[in-house]
Amino acid sequence: EAEVAQSPRYKITEKSQAVAFWCDPISGHATLYWYRQILGQGPELLVQFQDESVVDDSQLPKDRFSAERLKGVDSTLKIQPAELGDSAMYLCASSLEGTEQFFGPGTRLTVL
Amino acid sequence: QQPVQSPQAVILREGEDAVINCSSSKALYSVHWYRQKHGEAPVFLMILLKGGEQKGHDKISASFNEKKQQSSLYLTASQLSYSGTYFCGTESDDKIIFGKGTRLHILP
Repeated sequence: EAEVAQSPRYKITEKSQAVAFWCDPISGHATLYWYRQILGQGPELLVQFQDESVVDDSQLPKDRFSAERLKGVDSTLKIQPAELGDSAMYLCASSLEGTEQFFGPGTRLTVL
Repeated sequence: QQPVQSPQAVILREGEDAVINCSSSKALYSVHWYRQKHGEAPVFLMILLKGGEQKGHDKISASFNEKKQQSSLYLTASQLSYSGTYFCGTESDDKIIFGKGTRLHILP
């Protein structure tokens, strides 16, 4: 069964360092989402791509976060510099337009 | 605006029923329901589109009242495997926003 792949699964970094997360969506899924989930909360959308174009990044802290999906397939989310408050689970999901989202296993980020 | 889920948490015995509610202050196009087990990614349950359609599979069903901007998830004769956190995601203006979740714990 096709799955969304994410790496790394866990990342520990010190504040002010740069981190990057990678996501490979299910083949053929044009829509890709990056979410941040704080323990005990629902997923919060950071950025949504339709193919290689950003559809929504209104909640992305653009002074430190960036996301790209250059060829409309896999995607990278970067944080530079990381802050203590960035500690969370970062989830990637993909979907065919207007349908259910398939989530990857996530990257758990701890900032020390 | 983030949808409001109620209750925040539920504890049931196996075989009992549960209802989880989701309400929004905005007009909705659709409502999505997901379940997340501890340490795992959310898993899709169902989508309800504008039109008040009720959906279900197995013993989990849901309704969507677009006029009231509300959706409810019904779990019948709950099983141990139903334990987890249930999230509704409400879609409006081409954007899906998730609620804070309802934690469901099933006791044997």
